[in-house]
Amino acid sequence: DSGVTQTPKHLITATGQRVTLRCSPRSGDLSVYWYQQSLDQGLQFLIQYYNGEERAKGNILERFSAQQFPDLHSELNLSSLELGDSALYFCASSVVLTGYEQFFGPGTRLTVL
Amino acid sequence: AQSVAQPEDQVNVAEGNPLTVKCTYSVSGNPYLFWYVQYPNRGLQFLLKYITGDNLVKGSYGFEAEFNKSQTSFHLKKPSALVSDSALYFCAVRDMETSYDKVIFGPGTSLSVIP
Repeated sequence: DSGVTQTPKHLITATGQRVTLRCSPRSGDLSVYWYQQSLDQGLQFLIQYYNGEERAKGNILERFSAQQFPDLHSELNLSSLELGDSALYFCASSVVLTGYEQFFGPGTRLTVL
Repeated sequence: AQSVAQPEDQVNVAEGNPLTVKCTYSVSGNPYLFWYVQYPNRGLQFLLKYITGDNLVKGSYGFEAEFNKSQTSFHLKKPSALVSDSALYFCAVRDMETSYDKVIFGPGTSLSVIP
């Protein structure tokens, strides 16, 4: 158990809908990362937050957005969903200034029908 | 641009034999390198890292990795493979072009240990 929690585990929705994925980082970790994992694209970095502020952006679509709250949990919002958004979405956390290793949550499997 | 490559999609090894999963990287400056493992239906787990110091790094579950600067490689090794080592392995490098903690992951190598 990494100490990172993600909810829900599974999500099934329809095209055009909007969903919110939630992540709670390990206790003491200020940095949160979001990744998308699909068979054809592999593991893609989406976005990073540190202590409530956006710090780095990767291959995140404009239909996707994220935020980190004062209690350090983070949410990833996916809107106008398309079939191609079906994937595993992982959250990871780290203590930014030491070590640099990331601790991953169990993931949310999103299926868009 | 920073990048990391894993030249083998699939590695098969017999139980008890040594295993190697290959990784090469391209970064500016000194690399920060990582190995992660992903078991089926699980998130990635950190195995080991190289930041500085000894070129041979020891990690979890008996794994080790050798940093080779001249060959820009960071291969993962284990002296004796177990069936339970069967999983997806990711090499990663810290993006040194930013001051942030962004890590670039390789495409992954699927390891199968055959009983």
